Amino acid sequence: DTEVTQTPKHLVMGMTNKKSLKCEQHMGHRAMYWYKQKAKKPPELMFVYSYEKLSINESVPSRFSPECPNSSLLNLHLHALQPEDSALYLCASSQAVEGRDGYTFGSGTRLTVV
Amino acid sequence: QKEVEQNSGPLSVPEGAIASLNCTYSDRGSQSFFWYRQYSGKSPELIMSIYSNGDKEDGRFTAQLNKASQYVSLLIRDSQPSDSATYLCAGRNLYGNNRLAFGKGNQVVVIP
Repeated sequence: DTEVTQTPKHLVMGMTNKKSLKCEQHMGHRAMYWYKQKAKKPPELMFVYSYEKLSINESVPSRFSPECPNSSLLNLHLHALQPEDSALYLCASSQAVEGRDGYTFGSGTRLTVV
Repeated sequence: QKEVEQNSGPLSVPEGAIASLNCTYSDRGSQSFFWYRQYSGKSPELIMSIYSNGDKEDGRFTAQLNKASQYVSLLIRDSQPSDSATYLCAGRNLYGNNRLAFGKGNQVVVIP
């Protein structure tokens, strides 16, 4: 299995809703990442998990809350989002934070905040 | 200066021609370089990795790395309409924060 699976593929939520994005990989990768990508821009790093522990938070607002329940799963909990948070949210994984390999990206969740 | 720089202007190439994309990087410690292809509305897909000076070929794709001049390039031979996408150059510095640093991306349009 060489895939990173993200669900849901599309999500529309109101500004008062609470929702979660899910990401799963079975490649034995020990580093997992959340990225946000706006149209015509490169992906922007949000969080890095290394061996199931949060190692980097790129000054992301607290309305985004990551969670890594085990080495294969990564969640992103969303609460009280703003319309400007609408974007493509990408999960990625790599062998390790210390490694030299490229990241494998999931297909993404297209989030629209209304 | 951004870690990875790409000329972000769109590149139009006729079908069957060679598309050439370039990328420069500022961090001499960067060790690994990657080219990702991203179709509109889709996620980035890793198409080439290169770690050593020189050329690396995979099918119609050739990646080139020149560490002395700090540039990375991607050649797409016999360009096809299906190659129309945005190509993102990225690098990792094993001795720095080792996060994947992306360039802005280069849109390629292959004209039939």
